[in-house]
Amino acid sequence: DAKTTQPNSMESNEEEPVHLPCNHSTISGTDYIHWYRQLPSQGPEYVIHGLTSNVNNRMASLAIAEDRKSSTLILHRATLRDAAVYYCILLGGATNKLIFGTGTLLAVQP
Amino acid sequence: SAVISQKPSRDICQRGTSLTIQCQVDSQVTMMFWYRQQPGQSLTLIATANQGSEATYESGFVIDKFPISRPNLTFSTLTVSNMSPEDSSIYLCSVRTGGIATNEKLFFGSGTQLSVL
Repeated sequence: DAKTTQPNSMESNEEEPVHLPCNHSTISGTDYIHWYRQLPSQGPEYVIHGLTSNVNNRMASLAIAEDRKSSTLILHRATLRDAAVYYCILLGGATNKLIFGTGTLLAVQP
Repeated sequence: SAVISQKPSRDICQRGTSLTIQCQVDSQVTMMFWYRQQPGQSLTLIATANQGSEATYESGFVIDKFPISRPNLTFSTLTVSNMSPEDSSIYLCSVRTGGIATNEKLFFGSGTQLSVL
């Protein structure tokens, strides 16, 4: 099963951009890169996903490396409400099993 | 999108008893998943439950301990049987929606916090 690796934790200051990296060196050509976040005492929620091109939505941006072996979730201006665990997973195509890695615990300082 | 109602939100149970967790989705979905999340840990996939077929269990999880029902395309239950304190955890159901890969997303219930005494 394709796996992802992320740093265990990161810190940011409020109102500053945050770049959360993810490595997925065994990604297959048909796997989409998905990002979810889990706020305290809640189930994970969808953030963004992409295949090859960079993607933007109201929550975040997703930058995908040209070889697709890594990606970066970008929060343009972190707020205290963005403090959560962020998970990068591979979905679709050859990956039917949805395996979560350790995720990155993002702390946002006021 | 999909809205998932998961019940109960939390429970405290005695050792040796069983608890059934329900997951209701507001739309028909083919694939449903059950996860366990131990304190401070990531999500671990227990099983995949597709309507009309037996659930597929991951390594370390067995049907006798975690029987799953999937009677229709909007509902599933996970039972935690013969509970021990080691089963204390958060249990989450999830669905995969969107049809084609481009649109697929995962949606999660709010979780069931289980404590076994």
